[in-house]
Amino acid sequence: DAKTTQPTSMDCAEGRAANLPCNHSTISGNEYVYWYRQIHSQGPQYIIHGLKNNETNEMASLIITEDRKSSTLILPHATLRDTAVYYCIVRVRNSGNTPLVFGKGTRLSVIA
Amino acid sequence: EADIYQTPRYLVIGTGKKITLECSQTMGHDKMYWYQQDPGMELHLIHYSYGVNSTEKGDLSSESTVSRIRTEHFPLTLESARPSHTSQYLCASSETPGAADTQYFGPGTRLTVL
Repeated sequence: DAKTTQPTSMDCAEGRAANLPCNHSTISGNEYVYWYRQIHSQGPQYIIHGLKNNETNEMASLIITEDRKSSTLILPHATLRDTAVYYCIVRVRNSGNTPLVFGKGTRLSVIA
Repeated sequence: EADIYQTPRYLVIGTGKKITLECSQTMGHDKMYWYQQDPGMELHLIHYSYGVNSTEKGDLSSESTVSRIRTEHFPLTLESARPSHTSQYLCASSETPGAADTQYFGPGTRLTVL
């Protein structure tokens, strides 16, 4: 799986959009970008994934650059409950027997 | 909402005791995983299973063992607990193939070995 680079931490004001970047310059053509988050002391939770098109669901939007070397997870209206560690993971979808590998992620603090 | 359960949620135990952490899922998922995470640190994969009677060691060496006799059940055992085993243990499962290749996590077991 390709390596990802994320900022260690970020702050965001409550109600504003939180934009979390992820660099994955060595991504290959069949690798997807996945985002998970882990709220304090809980198990990680799936947020969204994409290949090359932008994706949106009820939780977030995922913007992937045209060259696919980086992406941004957008939480459009951050709330205090969005405070968590956010993990960007690159892997081949349905890659058989390859478990997810979590890096250090970005610790997002939403401030009132 | 994922249906994956872990018991106990918290466990404080003395050195040398044998312990089993339980993990069950009702989604019929073939793949199950155990991760270990110290406070504020990364998750590390310690065991995984592709299905019944299949188990593999993960990236992080662990003194624990696992078994997969039934699809829905993936217990983790420590034969002799030590203070170095103090950590949070997270169980997860995923479907083969999955619509989003998503891993669903349980709430975790926080283990403290005195």
